Amino acid sequence: DSGVTQTPKHLITATGQRVTLRCSPRSGDLSVYWYQQSLDQGLQFLIQYYNGEERAKGNILERFSAQQFPDLHSELNLSSLELGDSALYFCASSATGGANEKLFFGSGTQLSVL
Amino acid sequence: AQSVAQPEDQVNVAEGNPLTVKCTYSVSGNPYLFWYVQYPNRGLQFLLKYITGDNLVKGSYGFEAEFNKSQTSFHLKKPSALVSDSALYFCAVKTPGGYQKVTFGTGTKLQVIP
Repeated sequence: DSGVTQTPKHLITATGQRVTLRCSPRSGDLSVYWYQQSLDQGLQFLIQYYNGEERAKGNILERFSAQQFPDLHSELNLSSLELGDSALYFCASSATGGANEKLFFGSGTQLSVL
Repeated sequence: AQSVAQPEDQVNVAEGNPLTVKCTYSVSGNPYLFWYVQYPNRGLQFLLKYITGDNLVKGSYGFEAEFNKSQTSFHLKKPSALVSDSALYFCAVKTPGGYQKVTFGTGTKLQVIP
């Protein structure tokens, strides 16, 4: 068990809808990362937060947004969903977001857009 | 820009034989290199990392990796493969300093044949 908790584990929704994915980092970790994993795109970095502030941004669509709350949990909001958004979404955490730190991954949220 | 390549989508090896999973990278400056493993329906788990120092890095579950600066490679190795090593393996790179994302390779599926 990595100590990173993601909910829900599975999410099935329709095109055009909006969903929220939740992540609780490992106890004591200040930095949270979001990744999208799909068969054709591999593991794509979306966004990173450190202690409530956005630190780095990757290939995140404008329809997607995220935030990290004072209690350090994070939410990824996906809106106007399209079929192509179906993927496995991972949250990871690390102590301070330093370059040499290993990441601890949650088990992911499997999103299916029908 | 930083990038990492895993040239093999799949590697098959007989149980008890040595295994190698290849990774090459491209960065400006000195890299931080990582290997992660993903078992079915699970998040990624950290195996090992190279930050500086000895080019041969030892990690979890008997895995090791060799950093080769001249060939810009960081191949994952194990002297004797187990069936339980069958999984998806990801190489990752990050450049020190600044707010750089961790870039993952596309993954290599390792199949250990009994």
